[in-house]
Formats: sequence, structure tokens, C-alpha cells
Amino acid sequence: DGGITQSPKYLFRKEGQNVTLSCEQNLNHDAMYWYRQDPGQGLRLIYYSQIVNDFQKGDIAEGYSVSREKKESFPLTVTSAQKNPTAFYLCASSLQGDQPQHFGDGTRLSIL
Amino acid sequence: KQEVTQIPAALSVPEGENLVLNCSFTDSAIYNLQWFRQDPGKGLTSLLLIQSSQREQTSGRLNASLDKSSGRSTLYIAASQPGDSATYLCAVRRVSTSGSRLTFGEGTQLTVNP
Repeated sequence: DGGITQSPKYLFRKEGQNVTLSCEQNLNHDAMYWYRQDPGQGLRLIYYSQIVNDFQKGDIAEGYSVSREKKESFPLTVTSAQKNPTAFYLCASSLQGDQPQHFGDGTRLSIL
Repeated sequence: KQEVTQIPAALSVPEGENLVLNCSFTDSAIYNLQWFRQDPGKGLTSLLLIQSSQREQTSGRLNASLDKSSGRSTLYIAASQPGDSATYLCAVRRVSTSGSRLTFGEGTQLTVNP
């Protein structure tokens, strides 16, 4: 059945290491999003993509990078430049940019 | 810059009570407002979406209202059940030059005790 799949569910990063979080959707949605959620805070937008081969920075893009080479995939790389990467990362997609967003189950990233 | 605030941060009620969750936003130029539910360690599930031209939306025991001029929305849950225990988030959609974006509140953590 259709949905958004995030993997892995848990991820650990060593100091100075880049890690990539996967997000795949089979909903045929054009738009995809990455959010970060910290305890006691709402979701904050990292990057979003409204169409293949195009993406824009959100409110907290520093230390992160993305690509959108295929419609169904929007991987997020947390680089070593992100000094406080421990958080819950959520991926979402929508049919188009102004349509309701559907969310994956998230990836929890921790520092070793 | 749009800011979204949710009060209270946490709420604990006995089963069967009717309750109200509050959401306020600073910029009334919104496209729509959405209420979500989040279970621990999970993603968000959309509950209700209210367009800026609407006053309320209903789904089962849930009713959401929107007063754009005062920058407020409420989520009313009737006859609460233990299964309603979760974090409830509101989000407003604004339209910018680079497309529409959601701004989220911090959430209200609801516990319904049997």
C-alpha cells in the first residue's frame, strides 16, 4: 500500500562523520520535505523540494544537504558541520506544495 | 515571521471529559491551518484541515475552529478516551515567494486516564 518509508528508524553518528537518512514515497507526490523535531519544540523545516531536481532551504538548512534525483526519493545528509544533530527527523510529502502533507515514521539520530 | 503557540503544553484528564486545545498564530495571512496527532516515536497523522475561508471542520468526536482575525484556533475533543492520548500539533500554512510552507506549534501532550 502507498506511503512514506523512512530508514533507518535509529541511527548513530560519530564525531566528524556524515550520515544519510533515507526517505522514499510511492504516493506519486511532487513535493517532499524534511523536518527536525527536538523535545518540547515543534517541527522545523530543513529543506523542501517541490519538483524533481529542485530544492530550497528551509529555516534551519545549515549543516544539512539534500538531493532530489528521483520523484520518489529525497535523502537527507547530516554533515559534520551540523554541531547538534541529535534529534528526531521527519520526512513528508504532498501531491503539490499547497496540499496536505503525509508523514513518515521518522528517524532518530544520536551521537556516539 | 510567523510564530505558532500552543497552550497548554500538557494536559491530563479523566476518561469521558470534553476538552479544548488552543493554538494561536501571529500572522493572520494564512492559507490554511491543520491539526495533527503524533504518537510517541511516530510520524504525524493529519486530523483536520481548515481553509482560511472556513470557520470550522468536524470529524467524528473532533471539532476544529478558526478565527483568523484574532489568530486563534481550537481543537475540541468530545467524550475523551484513553486512545486519544498523544501529542497534538497545529500548523499554519503561509504562502511565500518560494511556495507554501507549514509553521508548527510546540504541541500539547494529552493524557486521558481510564
